[in-house]
Amino acid sequence: ETGVTQSPTHLIKTRGQQVTLRCSSQSGHNTVSWYQQALGQGPQFIFQYYREEENGRGNFPPRFSGLQFPNYSSELNVNALELDDSALYLCASSSSNDRYNEQFFGPGTRLTVL
Amino acid sequence: SQQGEEDPQALSIQEGENATMNCSYKTSINNLQWYRQNSGRGLVHLILIRSNEREKHSGRLRVTLDTSKKSSSLLITASRAADTASYFCATAGSSNTGKLIFGQGTTLQVKP
Repeated sequence: ETGVTQSPTHLIKTRGQQVTLRCSSQSGHNTVSWYQQALGQGPQFIFQYYREEENGRGNFPPRFSGLQFPNYSSELNVNALELDDSALYLCASSSSNDRYNEQFFGPGTRLTVL
Repeated sequence: SQQGEEDPQALSIQEGENATMNCSYKTSINNLQWYRQNSGRGLVHLILIRSNEREKHSGRLRVTLDTSKKSSSLLITASRAADTASYFCATAGSSNTGKLIFGQGTTLQVKP
């Protein structure tokens, strides 16, 4: 059984640029959630993808968007980057068959916006 | 917005001692999950306790849940230097939409 993987590990962008982060879900999981974790804070829910569609969204602007692919992997896209977007981006996978929605996280992508 | 409030924010103990961290939340939940995070890396899932459970054990971990007080505690017994990390509680709402709401975390330092 493979765990959740994310790429890249680190990324440096400048303000106004666009970024794409990638996540492969754990074997047997069909749902992916994305979280943003600012330094010294707990993770905040961005959105969740299930059956290739957005299935719930947190308090993030539309320039945060995502995709889920038939193999359940997912991408997080952020347009028009702002300095405050600098954070650790975490994805978590889970199974829709799990009534308790136990989520398992990847190692994260650390994004720095200059 | 953060639902959980964790207490204390930081905790420093000697190896071998027990560490207790508390979490409070505001709304009805389906379950509460505890995670560990080492040095800003990924979250490691420790334990999930369902809303109809009061206590759960996993190795040196003991989690309690009091839904009447909307609070939970994580006890790590016989702590080790390797337990040094940040610990977060996260709640799944009663509708269990898949969104986890995290607290701000407790930073635990275990001195050898």
